[in-house]
This record gives sequence, structure tokens and C-alpha cells, in this order.
Amino acid sequence: AQTVTQSQPEMSVQEAETVTLSCTYDTSENNYYLFWYKQPPSRQMILVIRQEAYKQQNATENRFSVNFQKAAKSFSLKISDSQLGDTAMYFCAFMDQGGSEKLVFGKGTKLTVNP
Amino acid sequence: DSGVTQTPKHLITATGQRVTLRCSPRSGDLSVYWYQQSLDQGLQFLIQYYNGEERAKGNILERFSAQQFPDLHSELNLSSLELGDSALYFCASSVMPYNEQFFGPGTRLTVL
Repeated sequence: AQTVTQSQPEMSVQEAETVTLSCTYDTSENNYYLFWYKQPPSRQMILVIRQEAYKQQNATENRFSVNFQKAAKSFSLKISDSQLGDTAMYFCAFMDQGGSEKLVFGKGTKLTVNP
Repeated sequence: DSGVTQTPKHLITATGQRVTLRCSPRSGDLSVYWYQQSLDQGLQFLIQYYNGEERAKGNILERFSAQQFPDLHSELNLSSLELGDSALYFCASSVMPYNEQFFGPGTRLTVL
């Protein structure tokens, strides 16, 4: 079974600075998708970014980018120019392509952006 | 706003009772997924429906059941409720298999 590990339960960053959240996963599959979801205090789950395992190019979405290292099974999220609205829980998630479409989530990293 | 709606937002009930949570997917989405978020278990996949048919099952208790109706809305039924069933229940939808899933606002269930 696939597992997702987020080793940083909590992190903090100053407004306008850059922060990187770590995620590692364990799978024997070769084709899969990886996601980062954000859960602000409102509890809404918001998709931040998606990466297909077959793509070598790292995904980017505005201030959010990932560092995908397939061999190392690592998928970190970099947030540039951090804003107060980035304060949230961030969840890394795995989806096996070709198997169940369920998302397997890590336990999350609580990010606080300080003014 | 993801376009996925869930009702009710909050539900408070007693042990032993039965409740129904409702989800309407985004327009055009055929897949509906249910997830449970609790402090001790984190976010866990419960069940998936695709165009009315059950497609995948996760860690769903036998006391829980779900269905997807012809208009594609879905209901999650929780019966013989226990204190440990208190959690945030999310519904998510996607347009086709292996696409990103968009989450509703969740239903917070409190069992007293």
C-alpha cells in the first residue's frame, strides 16, 4: 500500500519570504499523480498544484512550485513571496494511475505566515 | 468555491442514531468520492462512485453506506453512530478518472 509522509508537523515563515514543505512517498508503481492541497482555517480543501510522475518538468502555479524527485520519491512544495493568506494546513497526496483513484494523504504540515 | 456542495454543514446527534450526508458534484463531474477527516486518523478515503456505480471502497465501516443517484448527487449514510464517528466528512468530485478532485466544504458531524 502507498504511504505519504510529511515530516514537518509545523512550520513558520515571515511574510514575503520563501518556504519549502517536504513530502516523501512510498510506492512500487511507476505511473502516478502527486498533489498538494491547502486547508485554511475555514476547513475547505483547496487544490494547490498537481504533478504527473511521467513528466520530468516540475509543476508551477504562480507563487507555488514543486521539486519532484522521482528516484528519491520526494515531492516538496515551495511557496515564494509568502502571504498571510497562505497560513493553512498543507497536505501532500498520492494517486496511483491505473489503480484506485483514491487520494492517499500525508498527515499535513501546519504553515503559519507571520507579518 | 469549488462548485461541490454538501449539506448540512453541521450535524449534532446522539450515539446510536442514523444520519444522511448529501453531496452534489460539480456540473459535469461523474465521479464522487467520500473522505473522512479526524484528528487521530487524518484524511481517509471511504468510497467512490462513478456514474451511479460503486467503483472503489476504502476504509469504510459496515455501518456506513453510500449511493449515487441518477442526477449524480450522492448520499453517505452513517448508522449506529459512535463517539468515534465524530469527524469532518468531505465529498469530492472529478470530471473523469485520474483527474484532480475538487472538494466540497465538508459536513462536520458531532456524535454526543
